[in-house]
Amino acid sequence: LAKTTQPISMDSYEGQEVNITCSHNNIATNDYITWYQQFPSQGPRFIIQGYKTKVTNEVASLFIPADRKSSTLSLPRVSLSDTAVYYCLVGPSNSGYALNFGKGTSLLVTP
Amino acid sequence: EAEVAQSPRYKITEKSQAVAFWCDPISGHATLYWYRQILGQGPELLVQFQDESVVDDSQLPKDRFSAERLKGVDSTLKIQPAELGDSAMYLCASSLNRGRTEAFFGQGTRLTVV
Repeated sequence: LAKTTQPISMDSYEGQEVNITCSHNNIATNDYITWYQQFPSQGPRFIIQGYKTKVTNEVASLFIPADRKSSTLSLPRVSLSDTAVYYCLVGPSNSGYALNFGKGTSLLVTP
Repeated sequence: EAEVAQSPRYKITEKSQAVAFWCDPISGHATLYWYRQILGQGPELLVQFQDESVVDDSQLPKDRFSAERLKGVDSTLKIQPAELGDSAMYLCASSLNRGRTEAFFGQGTRLTVV
């Protein structure tokens, strides 16, 4: 399984755009990149998933360069409620959608 | 909106006692996961089911942990005997199948072993 590296923590002010980068140098051809969000005392929640280039939904955007060795989760205009831990997962789609979480990035949004 | 149901939400047990957690996945979801999450760390996969079959239990401490999903619907995770180090959040998740579909997590069971 591809190993992922994320910053342990990030700080932001309300209204700013936040970009969280995840490194996955040994990503395999059939691996997808998935991001989850977790609030304290709750289970993780799926945010977005992509394979290459750019994916956007109502919550976030995911940017994946051509070499796919990294990815960036972009949260536009964060609010206090975006304070959470964000996990980057890389896994093969043909073996059960591997859900192996690392330590994640703890995002703190302040006024 | 359909949810993954877990019970109990909180459990306090003495070490060496047995404890069980229950999970009811979203209807129609064939894949079910049990995770353990220690405070400050990411969730750690314990066991994965596809219908009633175990797909991956390589991280499950089989000397004291057991998991079953007899009819391929709800699932039970048991610890016997519980140890102090088992104190953690136990999360259940389900997904439609083993493809690249998103997984839905329950609220978890917070276990405290004293």
